Amino acid sequence: NAGVTQTPKFRVLKTGQSMTLLCAQDMNHEYMYWYRQDPGMGLRLIHYSVGEGTTAKGEVPDGYNVSRLKKQNFLLGLESAAPSQTSVYFCASSYSSAWSGELFFGEGSRLTVL
Amino acid sequence: GEDVEQSLFLSVREGDSSVINCTYTDSSSTYLYWYKQEPGAGLQLLTYIFSNMDMKQDQRLTVLLNKKDKHLSLRIADTQTGDSAIYFCAESTGSSNTGKLIFGQGTTLQVKP
Repeated sequence: NAGVTQTPKFRVLKTGQSMTLLCAQDMNHEYMYWYRQDPGMGLRLIHYSVGEGTTAKGEVPDGYNVSRLKKQNFLLGLESAAPSQTSVYFCASSYSSAWSGELFFGEGSRLTVL
Repeated sequence: GEDVEQSLFLSVREGDSSVINCTYTDSSSTYLYWYKQEPGAGLQLLTYIFSNMDMKQDQRLTVLLNKKDKHLSLRIADTQTGDSAIYFCAESTGSSNTGKLIFGQGTTLQVKP
């Protein structure tokens, strides 16, 4: 049972480069989320999705795009990376019904933008 | 807007009790949560409390909720070195059923042998 899997786990980019982070979950969850974690700031929601084909902006969406073409996958894209996007990125998923707040997290993707 | 505040660091000796505190602002939150993050890993749900409860106990964990003061605490009895981690308080936004959570900054718990 893999749960939530993120790839890649580490990446170094130069300013202006683009990349995509992939999140895959095998729990048939409807809801998926991308958070970023920065020291002293906790987790901040970037974008989220409440179902296949739908996405919505979170707290800090600027500079990121997302897609949910398949229910099990949620992609986070950076079109033109900036040093301010250096962070640890976490994907999470949850059930849509019987909501009790349990988000299932991936292990994180550490991104450094030079 | 919604905000969740925590102290950043707590150090205790093995065997002592740890108390991690949190304040939140959204009085409409349905649930409040404690998540644990071990080094190099994602967050895992530790426990949660429904907003109409004052206390919840689960083995070594006790959650206390003071709705009037919007204060949440997590007490870990007989703290072990394996409890060393970052603990995040979180609240549900309450306004829509999207599952969005607002997280605090996280409290790093250091357990000394």
